[in-house]
Amino acid sequence: SQQGEEDPQALSIQEGENATMNCSYKTSINNLQWYRQNSGRGLVHLILIRSNEREKHSGRLRVTLDTSKKSSSLLITASRAADTASYFCATRRSTGKLIFGQGTTLQVKP
Amino acid sequence: GAVVSQHPSRVICKSGTSVKIECRSLDFQATTMFWYRQFPKQSLMLMATSNEGSKATYEQGVEKDKFLINHASLTLSTLTVTSAHPEDSSFYICSAPKPGTSTDTQYFGPGTRLTVL
Repeated sequence: SQQGEEDPQALSIQEGENATMNCSYKTSINNLQWYRQNSGRGLVHLILIRSNEREKHSGRLRVTLDTSKKSSSLLITASRAADTASYFCATRRSTGKLIFGQGTTLQVKP
Repeated sequence: GAVVSQHPSRVICKSGTSVKIECRSLDFQATTMFWYRQFPKQSLMLMATSNEGSKATYEQGVEKDKFLINHASLTLSTLTVTSAHPEDSSFYICSAPKPGTSTDTQYFGPGTRLTVL
């Protein structure tokens, strides 16, 4: 299978709470990226973390990467209803290909 | 920022017909573009890498005779779904890395929803 695993597959939280999504992958990577997709729409790039980085922040987003465990996590702090979407991790191979995880569907209730 | 467009955004066709989907890079030239397919409530699956001026590279399990890819110019790649069947109904998305930036940065089109009746 191309894909890695993401968990949870679905997450429902209240506005203001934090949301944590995890991603595991199978092969060596150059970097790992997180994307957001609103229902039926295209992808929005959120954040990229390189293989030699362990943590990265962007606004309310915090990403960690553990290459020894081949895993990453995305934390969204102080969630808002507008954060409701599907979130995918994607690993970049040396060929430039992006291989996507299975995704986490996040619902933030107002 | 860089923009990638797709046309059409939505298409409905009869079984057995062929459908062409266009992917354009609007403000940069793309020697490489990627085509993905996404079934409902599933992730994106890479179908093929489109290379300007040469043959596309298909992922394992993707039929190259069914999904024809043509990258005839530096701003346009087309995906033709030949003899479409209902099981080909899906969301098709393209992406392209922008030259002059790291190929880490890929720009995605808005997607094309194909429904085959």
